[in-house]
Amino acid sequence: EDQVTQSPEALRLQEGESSSLNCSYTVSGLRGLFWYRQDPGKGPEFLFTLYSAGEEKEKERLKATLTKKESFLHITAPKPEDSATYLCAVISGGSNYKLTFGKGTLLTVNP
Amino acid sequence: DTAVSQTPKYLVTQMGNDKSIKCEQNLGHDTMYWYKQDSKKFLKIMFSYNNKELIINETVPNRFSPKSPDKAHLNLHINSLELGDSAVYFCASSQRTGPGNTIYFGEGSWLTVV
Repeated sequence: EDQVTQSPEALRLQEGESSSLNCSYTVSGLRGLFWYRQDPGKGPEFLFTLYSAGEEKEKERLKATLTKKESFLHITAPKPEDSATYLCAVISGGSNYKLTFGKGTLLTVNP
Repeated sequence: DTAVSQTPKYLVTQMGNDKSIKCEQNLGHDTMYWYKQDSKKFLKIMFSYNNKELIINETVPNRFSPKSPDKAHLNLHINSLELGDSAVYFCASSQRTGPGNTIYFGEGSWLTVV
């Protein structure tokens, strides 16, 4: 069965203090690794999809990278508005295209 | 315009009642999903439909019955509600299944069973 583990569970940063979130996965044939952002009281908002090891994608202060066992979400010079829960999810071969989510990392950026 | 919309956003009901949550997407997608987020914030799939055909039914009690009248709508009906059904239910959609298809979520429906 597909498994996704995110760490840390919670991360508190000062504005401008760069850091990384980790997503480790175990799947049978990765078809895609997804990063979502979820604000309190809202649905997950799509950020990135990565398909193969070595792939990288960037959006504003966020950069996602992928290896054969894990993905990192790097946050460069974060701002308070980056505070949210970041969710990692995978889709594997034979899963009928269902997302298996990790428990998320709650990021708080203090001004 | 909201791409994936759900109603109601909040629902408080008594144990034993039957309730429905409606979902509509205006993205022209073929595939729709229901996910459940429990009190520990863990998101798990419940069902998915592709062109009105059920393709995933993830060990959900048969008190939960999805209905897809057309490919733009996927409603969730819940019979004989139990306390443990309290959760946030998210509707989602994608163009189709397979690599390259992003899954977009609605804003969620907060169900509280008392």
